Order: sequence, then C-alpha cells, then structure tokens
Amino acid sequence: DAGVTQSPTHLIKTRGQQVTLRCSPISGHKSVSWYQQVLGQGPQFIFQYYEKEERGRGNFPDRFSARQFPNYSSELNVNALLLGDSALYLCASSARNSNYGYTFGSGTRLTVV
Amino acid sequence: QQQVKQSPQSLIVQKGGISIINCAYENTAFDYFPWYQQFPGKGPALLIAIRPDVSEKKEGRFTISFNKSAKQFSLHIMDSQPGDSATYFCAASKNNDMRFGAGTRLTVKP
Repeated sequence: DAGVTQSPTHLIKTRGQQVTLRCSPISGHKSVSWYQQVLGQGPQFIFQYYEKEERGRGNFPDRFSARQFPNYSSELNVNALLLGDSALYLCASSARNSNYGYTFGSGTRLTVV
Repeated sequence: QQQVKQSPQSLIVQKGGISIINCAYENTAFDYFPWYQQFPGKGPALLIAIRPDVSEKKEGRFTISFNKSAKQFSLHIMDSQPGDSATYFCAASKNNDMRFGAGTRLTVKP
C-alpha cells in the first residue's frame, strides 16, 4: 500500500513568491495535517483537516492556508515567502478526526532564497 | 509554541547499551504521548505511544515510562543497535494539536 505521498520533494523559491505543496493521504484516511520542521527542531503544527473542513490551526500567520479536496488530498499554500519559511513541510494522515496513529510523509524541503 | 521540553539534545551509546531520552510537558490537558523516530530525509515514524492512565508501556526493546504527577515521560531503548541511530522526538497531544519536543540525535556505536 502506498503511504502518504508529498510533492514536490524539493523546491527553491525566491522571497515574496508563493508556493503550493501537495499531499495524498493513505487510502481510506480522511484526516490530513500539515507540520513545519525547521532544521534541528521538532515539527510544528500548522493545520489539520478532516472531511474537507479545517479542524485545527497552529500559531502561523495568515500567509499560510490549506484546503482538502473531495478525494481527501490536500494542498498547503504559503504566500509572500520569507527566508524563515525555509523548512521541511510534513503532511500526516490518519483515519479519524484526531492525530492518533499519524502516518507522516517524507516531506517537501522548501528553500527560500 | 513549544510546550514539550526534551533532553538530551544528543546521545552516544555503545551497542548493547541502554538509551534514555527524557521529556517534560506543561499542559495537563494532554492525553496522548507518542514517540517518533526520524531518519535523515524521511518523515517521523511512530515508534510507541502511551496514554496518561498507565505508567509504563513496553513494545519489544522500546519502553515508555510515564510520571503523571511530575509531568514527565521517557523513552528507554534496551540493547541499542547501530540501526537505532536516528533522531527521536517525543510529543504530547490533545485532540488535533500535537506538540513536539526539539529532538534527540541518538548515535549507537558498534
């Protein structure tokens, strides 16, 4: 079975640009969460979606937005990129509206120059 | 935003030894405490998890010890192997919000 898949794996963007990251959850999983992992730190919670509705939001600015599609895949969008947005962006899926039994993808490495 | 403190930052253990990583949390509302293992270039993988109504959980060589009154929990890796070399994260969660520690880089020397 395919795990959580994220695309692209690596991305380089310029300050001020916009970026869209994509995530496909494990088949049958209806919950998708996004995390930001800065080098040398633990992941930080950005968003959680369940059944296409936002169910949780971390302490991130409005430049960060996300959505979930009818097939439960998800996109994370970041506008007006800053150098500090450089990080590994992780997507995790679970079967229920909770983070119990999360499965993480391998992430998208975003570099802002 | 970090409400989970993890120590040590790095740990070197000889093959066959015991690796111990400690975490402390602040929010008593947390009700789920997982440990994740992360290899370079990969996302975190769930290793073992515990709920606050038990004091210990063991799965193979991995054991979580949980002290609710002290708001502390720890991961013990028995008979550590070079293949265990990775970064380990503790986390604490309530509903849809999971807070991670800063991570411990474990190196197991052969």
